[in-house]
Parts: sequence; structure tokens; C-alpha cells
Amino acid sequence: GAGVSQSPRYKVAKRGQDVALRCDPISGHVSLFWYQQALGQGPEFLTYFQNEAQLDKSGLPSDRFFAERPEGSVSTLKIQRTQQEDSAVYLCASSLDYAHSGRPERQYFGPGTRLTVT
Amino acid sequence: QKEVEQDPGPLSVPEGAIVSLNCTYSNSAFQYFMWYRQYSRKGPELLMYTYSSGNKEDGRFTAQVDKSSKYISLFIRDSQPSDSATYLCAMSEAGNTPLVFGKGTRLSVIA
Repeated sequence: GAGVSQSPRYKVAKRGQDVALRCDPISGHVSLFWYQQALGQGPEFLTYFQNEAQLDKSGLPSDRFFAERPEGSVSTLKIQRTQQEDSAVYLCASSLDYAHSGRPERQYFGPGTRLTVT
Repeated sequence: QKEVEQDPGPLSVPEGAIVSLNCTYSNSAFQYFMWYRQYSRKGPELLMYTYSSGNKEDGRFTAQVDKSSKYISLFIRDSQPSDSATYLCAMSEAGNTPLVFGKGTRLSVIA
């Protein structure tokens, strides 16, 4: 497809379960970003990658959150032992250029995965 | 206080009205300023992208950045019902780095 895709679109997990959220960026895009959007809020940065290298994970809320992009394309965000406060939409974005390129570069967002923890 | 402040609204206007949306920010290192539009249950899509201070116009949309006041605006002329969405301001310190978003303003344009 032409855009960023994410799967699943909706996920319901019981508290304590582990979940894995997938992001397929636009083909050839070097940079990949994960954001968390709580209800009624703007997206908040979680982590980002340049190819397979994770450049910044300072936004991850706890050590229960883990992200990887082993081959520099598809990325997975994993949440262990989910809690109710993890309920949110998880957005993935990709961009063509390298991070800190100094050039304005558009981030293309996927539709998000809506996670509900019961 | 959050780095980026944005009135969440909701804002309701009649079709054809001029809409003014704005954000303030506290981090003087921000240099790249964006406006995204987000429809319900969709991801944000980029509307406008400006670097440093100044104005940028694209069709019915005009973005303004005033770095001295740490204030950015988006104007929508001749608003249409299809403009009904949440508008998010976003900013970053460097090109292609993590974005800091406002809370978003929910806009309804009534036919």
C-alpha cells in the first residue's frame, strides 16, 4: 500500500496480558516514530528509529514498553503486563529522511491501534 | 505547564466562516511548526509546515508563526463542513525529530 499501515486496528486486552502492535512504514522510509494518544489529548512521543537503530526511547512510560525494528522496516511495539492506564491509541509515523537531517521532513502517520485494557 | 498549549474547544462555526486556531509554546528552541488535521478514528495528516517565523499560505489555509511571542496560528477561510475535525499543532527543535503536539482543537463547521 501507499501509506503507513498498523495492525491490529483494535485490541482489547485483559489487565496483565502482553500485547504486540505492528507498524508497516512506507517502503524506503528511514525514520520511524511511535506516539501514544490518550483520549482527548494530542499524541505524545514514545520512541523512534533510524533504520534499525533506536535513537531515542525517552518517551516510553515504563520498562513494560519495548520497541524494535530489527530489519529497518517493520516495527513492533510490545507492552508487557498491560495496565488500564495503557489504554490509548498508538500511532506510528514514518519519514523518508534521516533523523536530525536539518531539513524539514514530513512524518506520515498510520491510522493507529486503539488499545483497550479491561 | 506543558511545552505546547492549545485550547481544546470545541469550536463551532457556520459554513463560510473564517476560523482561527492557535497554540502557544514555551520552548524557544522550537524551529519547525506544523498543523495536522485528524478525523475521528484516523491518523493525523499534515496540513501546513513552516520553518521559523513568518507566514505560509496554501489554498484556504494560512499558517503564521511569531517566534518572538511563541505563538502560532492557523487560519481557515471559507470553512466547509468537511473541515470538521480535530486540529493539532506540532513543533520540533530540529528537522525530522520527534514532534511535540498540542492537545488539539475540535472544530465543527455547520452547514
